Amino acid sequence: KAGVTQTPRYLIKTRGQQVTLSCSPISGHRSVSWYQQTPGQGLQFLFEYFSETQRNKGNFPGRFSGRQFSNSRSEMNVSTLELGDSALYLCASSSSAGGSYNEQFFGPGTRLTVL
Amino acid sequence: SQQGEEDPQALSIQEGENATMNCSYKTSINNLQWYRQNSGRGLVHLILIRSNEREKHSGRLRVTLDTSKKSSSLLITASRAADTASYFCAIEGGNTGKLIFGQGTTLQVKP
Repeated sequence: KAGVTQTPRYLIKTRGQQVTLSCSPISGHRSVSWYQQTPGQGLQFLFEYFSETQRNKGNFPGRFSGRQFSNSRSEMNVSTLELGDSALYLCASSSSAGGSYNEQFFGPGTRLTVL
Repeated sequence: SQQGEEDPQALSIQEGENATMNCSYKTSINNLQWYRQNSGRGLVHLILIRSNEREKHSGRLRVTLDTSKKSSSLLITASRAADTASYFCAIEGGNTGKLIFGQGTTLQVKP
């Protein structure tokens, strides 16, 4: 099976702009989670989608949003970009309904730089 | 915070030696997972250990879990230069699909 894919891999934006990142999960996986990784805060959970529904959300401002499509592909959007949004954004998919005993498979990430 | 805390933050060893990394957490968990990350790239899943398990093996990896002490350890035996990476523990505390990651241990294996 193909792994989790994320596009684009690299992105440079300026403050105030918005950005959309895309994630295609492993075929058959219905759960998609997003994480932000920065040197200062480490890996932080953004949100998780299952069957087009957001089931859990981390502690991020409303500028961060996401959605999932019927084919399980997911997008996340960041509006009004700030310098602090510069990070590696990682998407992960899993086969279970987000319950116990499931492992998550991560994509290569999208490196976002905000100037 | 549920966040896992890892120890040590950095570890440097010679090829062939064993490397041990520890993870502590604060709340009850469903499972604990270990991941590897090479130089700012994606995370690679290593092992998942459930809360009712005490030890798991995968190749040169051995993970233990002590829920009474709320701690886990990852042992890499006979390390190789290719094991150089950052290692993260992540706890899953409920049926949420949400992983809480530790800050990671940076392992350097010298050839």
